[in-house]
Amino acid sequence: DIQMTQSPSSLPASVGDRVTIACRASQTINTNVNWYQHKPGQAPKLLIYAASKLQGGVPSRFSGRGSGTDFTLTISSLQPEDFATYYCQQSHRTLGTWTFGQGTKVVIK
Amino acid sequence: EVQLVESGGGLVQPGGSLRLSCPVSGFSLGSYWMSWVRQAPGKGLEWVANIKEDGSEQFYVDSVKGRFTISRDNAKNSLFLQLNSLRVEDTAVYYCARINWGPTGHFDRWGQGTLVTVSS
Repeated sequence: DIQMTQSPSSLPASVGDRVTIACRASQTINTNVNWYQHKPGQAPKLLIYAASKLQGGVPSRFSGRGSGTDFTLTISSLQPEDFATYYCQQSHRTLGTWTFGQGTKVVIK
Repeated sequence: EVQLVESGGGLVQPGGSLRLSCPVSGFSLGSYWMSWVRQAPGKGLEWVANIKEDGSEQFYVDSVKGRFTISRDNAKNSLFLQLNSLRVEDTAVYYCARINWGPTGHFDRWGQGTLVTVSS
């Protein structure tokens, strides 16, 4: 199975900061990586799919990069509503089994 | 408006069974792969199972293989998850999610979740 390793697990930050979350796959997965935001009591929300494509309705301060095994999610200027937990997720079609990273909680510094 | 609404969660003893349902509206279920994802208390998201549009193939995380069964009734616009031989570690909020394959697979719509608690 493909493992997804996220870092850091916790990220203290302030409003206006540029923050970057990393995700590494245990084997090459082309651009089959997605990023989600999750807040307590809510459904997860898709932010980025296919490594770099912004989901409709998601603010442009969110961006994704990467291919192969290394991926990043960047928030260019952190807003108050962005304090949440973020997950990467791989979707290898041939294997059929998918995995999430362990999550990165963005907290107030 | 696209909606997914999970139901069927509750308290069950170890070794017991539950059947989760996820009726959907606002789109044609038969056009999409579907999935179940869970989150145990204090833990991260965990992918549980996927099912193809026509139900012809299913995929599971190793920890639930042989115990859980994902199924669907496209005519009734509903997704299901049968949970058997439940363990304490299956306690979680279970989400149903729609899979969009353009251009790679991703969960583009989610339900609000239903809580399954396995405890004696």
